[in-house]
Amino acid sequence: KNEVEQSPQNLTAQEGEFITINCSYSVGISALHWLQQHPGGGIVSLFMLSSGKKKHGRLIATINIQEKHSSLHITASHPRDSAVYICAVRFGGSARQLTFGSGTQLTVLP
Amino acid sequence: NAGVTQTPKFRILKIGQSMTLQCTQDMNHNYMYWYRQDPGMGLKLIYYSVGAGITDKGEVPNGYNVSRSTTEDFPLRLELAAPSQTSVYFCASSSQGYGYTFGSGTRLTVV
Repeated sequence: KNEVEQSPQNLTAQEGEFITINCSYSVGISALHWLQQHPGGGIVSLFMLSSGKKKHGRLIATINIQEKHSSLHITASHPRDSAVYICAVRFGGSARQLTFGSGTQLTVLP
Repeated sequence: NAGVTQTPKFRILKIGQSMTLQCTQDMNHNYMYWYRQDPGMGLKLIYYSVGAGITDKGEVPNGYNVSRSTTEDFPLRLELAAPSQTSVYFCASSSQGYGYTFGSGTRLTVV
């Protein structure tokens, strides 16, 4: 079965801390997405990865295809980073549908 | 820069009523999707479309119907609403399955 597991489910950090959210998947994929969802808000795409590493501002996403694992890092975290972060993957041959993890609720305290 | 527009944002339905959730995108994306998000769960695919006139069932299609008469519009129809359909619904679109854009969501409560 194609599965996506995220950890941790909940994460509380102090402002300025370095944050890591993990995502593991069960079989080979063609692409992995990191998404951000603010309370009561819509979903915004942060990154799409098929290999290596991408960086945008204080956000860094990495993927290890052999290990079937991806991480989302936030450097110098800020209270405005508080949101749910969602990992979603497109499994090979899946007609371009995404399978979603259950999300990580991040709270950054001032 | 409208992207994906969903209406309504909120709706309360009584059991047995019907409604249509509207979704429109202005990016000329060929792929469109409807997802539902339940508390503590990942988004689940209800229906998807790979182009006008083509739709297919996702993971949780029961109780829903869709149509895709144009590239821009992908409405989701709920017939005979049930409490189990209380959820947040997201429409999304993508070009060739890359670079997804999501709507702002519709929070539906069935009482």
